[in-house]
Parts: sequence; C-alpha cells; structure tokens
Amino acid sequence: GAGVSQSPSNKVTEKGKDVELRCDPISGHTALYWYRQSLGQGLEFLIYFQGNSAPDKSGLPSDRFSAERTGGSVSTLTIQRTQQEDSAVYLCASSPQGETQYFGPGTRLLVL
Amino acid sequence: RKEVEQDPGPFNVPEGATVAFNCTYSNSASQSFFWYRQDCRKEPKLLMSVYSSGNEDGRFTAQLNRASQYISLLIRDSKLSDSATYLCAVNREGYQLIWGAGTKLIIKP
Repeated sequence: GAGVSQSPSNKVTEKGKDVELRCDPISGHTALYWYRQSLGQGLEFLIYFQGNSAPDKSGLPSDRFSAERTGGSVSTLTIQRTQQEDSAVYLCASSPQGETQYFGPGTRLLVL
Repeated sequence: RKEVEQDPGPFNVPEGATVAFNCTYSNSASQSFFWYRQDCRKEPKLLMSVYSSGNEDGRFTAQLNRASQYISLLIRDSKLSDSATYLCAVNREGYQLIWGAGTKLIIKP
C-alpha cells in the first residue's frame, strides 16, 4: 500500500521567504508527527497531531513555525520568514492507534 | 541526562562479526520500545519492536532490560548492507516517542 508521502522533496528558498511543506499520511492513520533533522544529527520533534488537533506543539522552535492538519489527513508545516538555521530535512511520520511510526521520505530545505 | 541515550559510535565491525549496542532510557513508565534503521540521506525505517520477552528476526535480536532500563540490539553474521545508523525510540506517554540520537554502524569487508 501507499506509504507516507511528502512534498516537495527538495526546496531551496531565500532567507526571509515563507515555505510550506506538505505531508500525506498513510490512509487511516490518526496520529501524525513532524520532525526536523539536521545533517548528522538526531530527530528533533516539532509537533504531533491526533486527528486534526495538536496536543503537543512543544517542539516548534519559534512562532515562525506553524502546522495544521485538515480532515484528519493531510498536514502542512509552514515556516515564515525563513532563516538559514532552518535548513534541514523535515520528516513527517504517521501512526495508527499504536506508537509505531512510519516515515515519509522527507523534504530537504535549504535556505540561502 | 537525556531521556534516551545511545552511543553515537561509529562501530567499525568486520563483515561476518556479531555486534551489539544498547539504548538507555530514563522513564521507568515507558511501555513501548523500537529499533529503527536509517540509511544515509534516507528516512528512518522500522527494524523491529522490542517486546518484554525479547524477540528475534533473522539475524537481529532485540531485548529489553527493565531493571536497568535499557534495550539492546544484536546483529549476527553482519553484512555490508547492515551499515547504517540505528535509532532507538521509547514511548513517553500516549503516542509520543522519544528518540535516541542514533548509533552509526560501519561494516567493513
């Protein structure tokens, strides 16, 4: 079956621009997670959705970051006024009722 | 102290050898444990869940030691294709997983 998909796969933007990253979870998965991973580093938790609500936004690094999920499915992570330190791979994962998470291929963001 | 800790390595191991690494966790209430594999520039992929009784999948064996609060991964007869970073994940509460930073494994011919 179809796995988690993310778009775009790569994004190059200029400092100060806004970017939107999209995640399509596995059909039927109620939980959705966003992570950030810098080169050679571990996973940095950003936000978690259960259905359309976000019980835990504690990982969002600043108010420039926001995310939403609609219809219990697609999620969008928005970064406003991008900075060079935002450059990283943004990974989305989804999960059925249990904790096992399945990851998408990620979006590689480069802020010039 | 981090909630989940792993030796970053790298572990340099000759092909065919057995290698094991651990992952320690601090939350004694954790109930679910996982090992993921991440290849360079790829997303993490589930390798195996870790059950209380321990579990085995081919050359891979995972064990849980609740008393000492760690999980382990043993790889027997290592292959060149086993070279990757191995991430452990431990649940905190609800559906949250806390991730280790990963252990890098390099299998040498």
